[in-house]
Amino acid sequence: QVQLQQSGPGLVKPSQTLSLTCAISGDSVSTKSASWNWIRQSPSRGFEWLGKAYYRSKWYIEYAPSVKSRMTLKPDTSKNQLSLQLDSVTDEDTAVYYCVRLIGDGVLDIWGQGTLVTVSS
Amino acid sequence: DIQMTQSPSSLSASVGDRITITCRASQSISNHLNWFQQKPGKAPELLIYTVSTLQSGVPSRFSGSGSGTEFTLTISSLQLEDFGTYFCQQSHTAPHTFGQGTKVETK
Repeated sequence: QVQLQQSGPGLVKPSQTLSLTCAISGDSVSTKSASWNWIRQSPSRGFEWLGKAYYRSKWYIEYAPSVKSRMTLKPDTSKNQLSLQLDSVTDEDTAVYYCVRLIGDGVLDIWGQGTLVTVSS
Repeated sequence: DIQMTQSPSSLSASVGDRITITCRASQSISNHLNWFQQKPGKAPELLIYTVSTLQSGVPSRFSGSGSGTEFTLTISSLQLEDFGTYFCQQSHTAPHTFGQGTKVETK
């Protein structure tokens, strides 16, 4: 069955870079029938979609306008994983971050376990 | 962005109760409405997609209905494992937004 295993630090200092990885098993990061998304959840803002990567004969990467200037998603086909980098973090980036598979007509069917990232000095 | 509003924000119920949660969209989303269950400290799990299709493994006591802007999630006979928070989510228009959640607690 498909599983998403997230890894990365839970504490990041303000102005530094948040880095998370999502390792995919049971599916391929370069599948043409899904996209791989990052979504975060915080008590103050609820769920916020951050970005996605998908392969349709070439790679497409899309970002939410709110993070576009400081976020980078990188698919790695050799390791079958997707990485997220978010630069210049502030305390507003404190949240639980999820890697999520999206299939079909916008169905978020498989979620990673979540990573609580706290931005604090 | 499309706003999703759930009601109630919380409810207390007993095992065996029938409960209904409502989700309203700020504009028509046709049938692009999904429901998730989340337990404390865990990732959300997909329950129902496109209004009424149960995800594999989801018990038949869960059901969904609605169209356009108003949708409901019903649990016909609440079980102990059903306590948690439920979220609706629209997948009609990017960004795919979520409701604020309905916390189902034991009475």
